[in-house]
Amino acid sequence: GAGVSQSPRYKVAKRGQDVALRCDPISGHVSLFWYQQALGQGPEFLTYFQNEAQLDKSGLPSDRFFAERPEGSVSTLKIQRTQQEDSAVYLCASSFQGGSYNEQFFGPGTRLTVL
Amino acid sequence: GNSVTQMEGPVTLSEEAFLTINCTYTATGYPSLFWYVQYPGEGLQLLLKATKADDKGSNKGFEATYRKETTSFHLEKGSVQVSDSAVYFCALSPSGGSNYKLTFGKGTLLTVNP
Repeated sequence: GAGVSQSPRYKVAKRGQDVALRCDPISGHVSLFWYQQALGQGPEFLTYFQNEAQLDKSGLPSDRFFAERPEGSVSTLKIQRTQQEDSAVYLCASSFQGGSYNEQFFGPGTRLTVL
Repeated sequence: GNSVTQMEGPVTLSEEAFLTINCTYTATGYPSLFWYVQYPGEGLQLLLKATKADDKGSNKGFEATYRKETTSFHLEKGSVQVSDSAVYFCALSPSGGSNYKLTFGKGTLLTVNP
């Protein structure tokens, strides 16, 4: 079956522009996660949704970052007024159940470059 | 806070060589431990996991044993193949209510030459 998909795969933005990154999780997966992976680093947790509810946004680095999942499936990560330090790969993952840990299935990521 | 430290790369091996990638962690309680693999152009995939002390995770010839006493989860494979070339990430999931929040190491690039 189809895995987690993300679009666009690559995004170049000028500093100060707003960007929106899309994630399509595996159908039926309750939980959805966003991670940020800077060059040469491991992924770092940003936020967690269970269905449409955003249960944890403790990893969002600033109030310029906003995520939503209005119908409990597709999610969008929005970054306002992008800065150079926002350049990274943004990973989306989904898992079948909420609550306790279940295997997270990752998408290929969106590479954001801010000039 | 929680952290994972893994062996700096890159690691270059010849086919059929023995592989070890070291991983140690810092966490309270009893986290679950994972190895993820990222092949070129693909998303992270779970390779193996262990959820309690002394558990051994294994998959595709790779093994790792959860050692509580040394807070380690080293990845091993007896005979690597060219197709194992990828980036390997050690990760933990904390015990308790935030166990969905994975903490990753920096990753180790493995290149296997024929």
